[in-house]
Amino acid sequence: QQQVKQSPQSLIVQKGGISIINCAYENTAFDYFPWYQQFPGKGPALLIAIRPDVSEKKEGRFTISFNKSAKQFSLHIMDSQPGDSATYFCAASRSFGNEKLTFGTGTRLTIIP
Amino acid sequence: DAGVIQSPRHEVTEMGQEVTLRCKPISGHDYLFWYRQTMMRGLELLIYFNNNVPIDDSGMPEDRFSAKMPNASFSTLKIQPSEPRDSAVYFCASNGPGAGNTIYFGEGSWLTVV
Repeated sequence: QQQVKQSPQSLIVQKGGISIINCAYENTAFDYFPWYQQFPGKGPALLIAIRPDVSEKKEGRFTISFNKSAKQFSLHIMDSQPGDSATYFCAASRSFGNEKLTFGTGTRLTIIP
Repeated sequence: DAGVIQSPRHEVTEMGQEVTLRCKPISGHDYLFWYRQTMMRGLELLIYFNNNVPIDDSGMPEDRFSAKMPNASFSTLKIQPSEPRDSAVYFCASNGPGAGNTIYFGEGSWLTVV
């Protein structure tokens, strides 16, 4: 079954700290791994994505680490800010193009002062 | 572009009533997705279309749910009859040429069935 398991369900981090969210997948055919960010009352929006040909991708304070052998990937938010408080979803899909995404269950991140 | 547009944003209806949710995808996008979000089950893909044709409806929970895409700029998700357990946020999303793998979500339709 095509599942993506995400943890933790919720996370509280102090301002300036590092937020880490983890995901694991089962289908070895998956080759596209995005993270979506969702603010209250809004739809999810793409934050950052990675393909398995690299082990890490960084965009500003956001980094995806990818471990192909372990079938795991994680999102790291450096210098976490209150504005980062949102729900984060990992996802995975097969192939290039528009293969349907399988989403993780989401992590509610709260950054406290 | 205005993005994916959904209506209504909020709907409260009584059990047994028909509910119709509407979606206008981003112009030029040829993929359209309907998702449902609940606290218990997260984001679930209900159905998706390519070039107005339903490709995969395996996520549609029951025969009470139906979706149509009569043209490239409009889709509906209908629930008839509605039940309290259908209460959720329903998202429409689209993807197409120039968007890469990015799926663009609307702001959702918040449905409460009482």
